[in-house]
Amino acid sequence: GAGVSQSPSNKVTEKGKDVELRCDPISGHTALYWYRQSLGQGLEFLIYFQGNSAPDKSGLPSDRFSAERTGGSVSTLTIQRTQQEDSAVYLCASSLNPGPLPNQPQHFGDGTRLSIL
Amino acid sequence: GQSLEQPSEVTAVEGAIVQINCTYQTSGFYGLSWYQQHDGGAPTFLSYNALDGLEETGRFSSFLSRSDSYGYLLLQELQMKDSASYFCAVRPVQDSTLTFGKGTMLLVSP
Repeated sequence: GAGVSQSPSNKVTEKGKDVELRCDPISGHTALYWYRQSLGQGLEFLIYFQGNSAPDKSGLPSDRFSAERTGGSVSTLTIQRTQQEDSAVYLCASSLNPGPLPNQPQHFGDGTRLSIL
Repeated sequence: GQSLEQPSEVTAVEGAIVQINCTYQTSGFYGLSWYQQHDGGAPTFLSYNALDGLEETGRFSSFLSRSDSYGYLLLQELQMKDSASYFCAVRPVQDSTLTFGKGTMLLVSP
């Protein structure tokens, strides 16, 4: 497809389980971003990839959160030993290399709605 | 660090004009962006102001004043479909990521 694709669209799991969220960016977009959005809140930055490397992991809330990107394309966000406070919508976005060009709009997927019971 | 402030909610009627303000405290950034997000949907890019002044795109306009640390999004001829959340965002000069405000929910009534 032409847009950013995320899967699953919804995930319900029990506290303590691990979950894996997937993001398929727009073809040719070298930059990839993960955000978290709680109900009625803004977008909380989690991690940024340029190619396969993550120069900015500053937003990951704890060591239970990790992410990887392979082949400069698909990325997975993994949450281990999930807690109820992890319940949120996890959004992925991609853009052309932000580099020296300050305005590279980010294109968002529809997100994964994660619910921890 | 960066901090962006927006009103949490704005209400207006169809056909009206509404302005959503964004004030910020940041050490330096490239420009101010605006994104729209319908309930349950993906945020979508609306506009970008690199320089001070007004940028117009159809019914939507965006304004930036760096000296006042202030910007706004102006929506004209409001339609019901404009009901959504609107986020301002900046890209700090030392980063490749965007910092978003908490968003303003716009409710358009008949």
